[in-house]
Amino acid sequence: EAGVTQFPSHSVIEKGQTVTLRCDPISGHDNLYWYRRVMGKEIKFLLHFVKESKQDESGMPNNRFLAERTGGTYSTLKVQPAELEDSGVYFCASSPYRGQNSGELFFGEGSRLTVL
Amino acid sequence: AQSVTQLDSQVPVFEEAPVELRCNYSSSVSVYLFWYVQYPNQGLQLLLKYLSGSTLVKGINGFEAEFNKSQTSFHLRKPSVHISDTAEYFCAVSETGGSYIPTFGRGTSLIVHP
Repeated sequence: EAGVTQFPSHSVIEKGQTVTLRCDPISGHDNLYWYRRVMGKEIKFLLHFVKESKQDESGMPNNRFLAERTGGTYSTLKVQPAELEDSGVYFCASSPYRGQNSGELFFGEGSRLTVL
Repeated sequence: AQSVTQLDSQVPVFEEAPVELRCNYSSSVSVYLFWYVQYPNQGLQLLLKYLSGSTLVKGINGFEAEFNKSQTSFHLRKPSVHISDTAEYFCAVSETGGSYIPTFGRGTSLIVHP
């Protein structure tokens, strides 16, 4: 069974440009999460999808970030326009269901974003 | 809201020595607790978890952790580390009966020297 896959693994862009990160969760996992880790700091929650619906987007930093999950399968996270402070590693994770899953997540390898 | 504190950003240790990685949490309700490990160039993977029952939890690769409710801690231990244990370790907490979305600490880098 394929794990969570993320693309690209590394992206280097200039301030003001746009970047789109993609995540393919494990097949059949309704829950999809985006997290971000800025160098040396904690892994911070960004948002949570249940199928195609945004369940919780309380962690999204501002309106330059837009996440979508069309059809409840893969998800994209777009940053437009990118700022220097957006640099970090963006992790995607999925899980099969809430509650009974008790918070155990399956992570991708992350997409490292560098904004110059 | 819950929070996690990992006091040690880096823990160097010699091979075959014991190690303890510290984790303290804060929450107003009951919690689930997790340790994840991230090896170089890989995603995070679950090492062990505490949901209920015995406070001593055993995980993969010989790691174990003990839930201490009075001290709000969930320290990770291994009696004898190997070079291959070099990785970053993240403690996480989620609240029972809530959204179950885990909150992570800032990670502890375990560096095992030969």
